[in-house]
Amino acid sequence: GAVVSQHPSRVICKSGTSVKIECRSLDFQATTMFWYRQFPKQSLMLMATSNEGSKATYEQGVEKDKFLINHASLTLSTLTVTSAHPEDSSFYICSARDENLNTEAFFGQGTRLTVV
Amino acid sequence: AQSVTQLDSQVPVFEEAPVELRCNYSSSVSVYLFWYVQYPNQGLQLLLKYLSGSTLVKGINGFEAEFNKSQTSFHLRKPSVHISDTAEYFCAVSGRGGKYGNKLVFGAGTILRVKS
Repeated sequence: GAVVSQHPSRVICKSGTSVKIECRSLDFQATTMFWYRQFPKQSLMLMATSNEGSKATYEQGVEKDKFLINHASLTLSTLTVTSAHPEDSSFYICSARDENLNTEAFFGQGTRLTVV
Repeated sequence: AQSVTQLDSQVPVFEEAPVELRCNYSSSVSVYLFWYVQYPNQGLQLLLKYLSGSTLVKGINGFEAEFNKSQTSFHLRKPSVHISDTAEYFCAVSGRGGKYGNKLVFGAGTILRVKS
C-alpha cells in the first residue's frame, strides 16, 4: 500500500509553546488529508479534513485557532498545536487519500505529544 | 451520517482458537467498510476493506470479514489466532466519496488479548 510518513513520532514541549506535526504522502498525491486525535484507551476522533490548497474543515468542538492545519501541497499537510497546554497531550494521527483514485485512506504512524 | 458500534471492548482468547470481533454500522447511504489494527503507540494498519463485490473479504495476517447488508454488520474473523495478534482492532465506515462524503468514522475499538 501507499506510505504516509508522520513526523515526529514523539515530542515533548513546554506549556505555552507551539508544536508542528508533519504528515507526508511519499508515493501518491494526497488530495485529502485527515487529522485525528486519540485519547488513551479511546477511539480516533476526527479533528479536521483538509483538501490541498483549501482551508481545512474542522469538526464541531475543535478550535481552529488552536489547531492550525496547512495543506499547501499534494504531499504535505501540517498540524500546529498553538499555545499548547497539558490537556493537549494526546496521540495525533494523520491519514491521506487520493480522491481521484477513490482508494482508502492511508495512515501515518502517529505522534505522541506530551505537554509539560 | 454514519456510525459504528463495536460490541466488545475486550476479547480474550487462547492461542490457536478462533475469534470473531463484531462490528455493526448505520448509514443512510452506501458505504465502504474497513478493519484496522493498531499496536501500542503506532498508527493504524489496514487489515481489509469492503468496497464492492464479494461480501467475504480476505485480508492480511489470515483475517477475513463478511459484509452483511441486511444485518448492517461487518464482523472480523480469524480461524486460529497467534500471540502476535494481540492488539486493538478498529472497525470503520466511510461514505463512497463525492456527495456521500469520505470521512472515516471509527468504532470504539476492540482489544484482542491472545493468551498462551
